[in-house]
Amino acid sequence: GQNIDQPTEMTATEGAIVQINCTYQTSGFNGLFWYQQHAGEAPTFLSYNVLDGLEEKGRFSSFLSRSKGYSYLLLKELQMKDSASYLCAVSGDYNDYKLSFGAGTTVTVRA
Amino acid sequence: GAVVSQHPSWVICKSGTSVKIECRSLDFQATTMFWYRQFPKQSLMLMATSNEGSKATYEQGVEKDKFLINHASLTLSTLTVTSAHPEDSSFYICSARDPGASYEQYFGPGTRLTVT
Repeated sequence: GQNIDQPTEMTATEGAIVQINCTYQTSGFNGLFWYQQHAGEAPTFLSYNVLDGLEEKGRFSSFLSRSKGYSYLLLKELQMKDSASYLCAVSGDYNDYKLSFGAGTTVTVRA
Repeated sequence: GAVVSQHPSWVICKSGTSVKIECRSLDFQATTMFWYRQFPKQSLMLMATSNEGSKATYEQGVEKDKFLINHASLTLSTLTVTSAHPEDSSFYICSARDPGASYEQYFGPGTRLTVT
């Protein structure tokens, strides 16, 4: 089966940095995704990691350690619009591309 | 980037009726589409994988006779919720995979279903 864990909620101040951790135990691994989802909307793609290391994309960075079954999403220079749910998802099988999602982390940015 | 649309964006229906939701890939051909359901404050749960020209593959616990999936063309998949009940009220989201892209799935905007 697939088990993906991430914290339920996080709060941070505008301009600060927040790190959202995700640990996973899956029967296979073909990449880890981070999505942002605002209430009532569909998820939007943020990042994809399939090899160990850090991927940087503007204010957002994502890290992966396959040996530890661990990833984090780093949000820098937080803005009010970053208040959203952040979903960690794992693709377990190269052939079916199905995604298993964590429960999501609700990030609240305060002024 | 690739665009996936869903129709309708929201629907209210009476208990016992059926509702059809469409998912379209607008600028690419999708051999595989996925249907998810999301209850309030919960994450996305995969319901089924829709394969063009063949039967859908349902996840464990999803009733295939209640949630009918038809992937009739490379750009359209439909999900029909049959004999809907209030507990089927949820946010239904589809995604589509572009075979020309190595890994990314593109999500539709979602359909809010309310069964009264």
